[in-house]
Amino acid sequence: EADIYQTPRYLVIGTGKKITLECSQTMGHDKMYWYQQDPGMELHLIHYSYGVNSTEKGDLSSESTVSRIRTEHFPLTLESARPSHTSQYLCASSEFPNTGELFFGEGSRLTVL
Amino acid sequence: KQEVTQIPAALSVPEGENLVLNCSFTDSAIYNLQWFRQDPGKGLTSLLLIQSSQREQTSGRLNASLDKSSGRSTLYIAASQPGDSATYLCAVPGGSYIPTFGRGTSLIVHP
Repeated sequence: EADIYQTPRYLVIGTGKKITLECSQTMGHDKMYWYQQDPGMELHLIHYSYGVNSTEKGDLSSESTVSRIRTEHFPLTLESARPSHTSQYLCASSEFPNTGELFFGEGSRLTVL
Repeated sequence: KQEVTQIPAALSVPEGENLVLNCSFTDSAIYNLQWFRQDPGKGLTSLLLIQSSQREQTSGRLNASLDKSSGRSTLYIAASQPGDSATYLCAVPGGSYIPTFGRGTSLIVHP
């Protein structure tokens, strides 16, 4: 069973609020990822990290930001939420370079009114 | 740039059928290939991981094969059940070993 956790699972907030989606893993993985997925649609990579103090933007342009101060923690922040940010956000970590196996959290479903 | 294609996009079958889901990728220099299952509104659950040196992996009624030279992987589901209904995704490493996903195959198994 994967040891990667996301909170909150569900969040409904108003426009303009600042939010942080939490992602933590206890597997000691260096590589971590954030994907955005709309219902019934494909996954889009929005941020990734190769380790502490390393963050990169993904293929999909996103107004969110991330930080990686500790290996186990990779939070995603939206400074001012808008209805266009309504989506599911999935966090993952990878056992690279060993097996390279990818593990996902349960996801955070965000609704911005 | 690695591109992943999954065929078919959707599949609806009666219970008990044996199924074949296909995944193709453009860059055959892959590190591994992983199959996932996703239930509506949930995260991705890993089903099978095939390393680049392996040809197949099996777990229960699931069998995944890998042919790197042709850029293809196949997921076999034997004796399908309604509980198998979900979206199935494959992922391979792309540039900088970042996982690249297909759009998935949406499977419905009806009783």
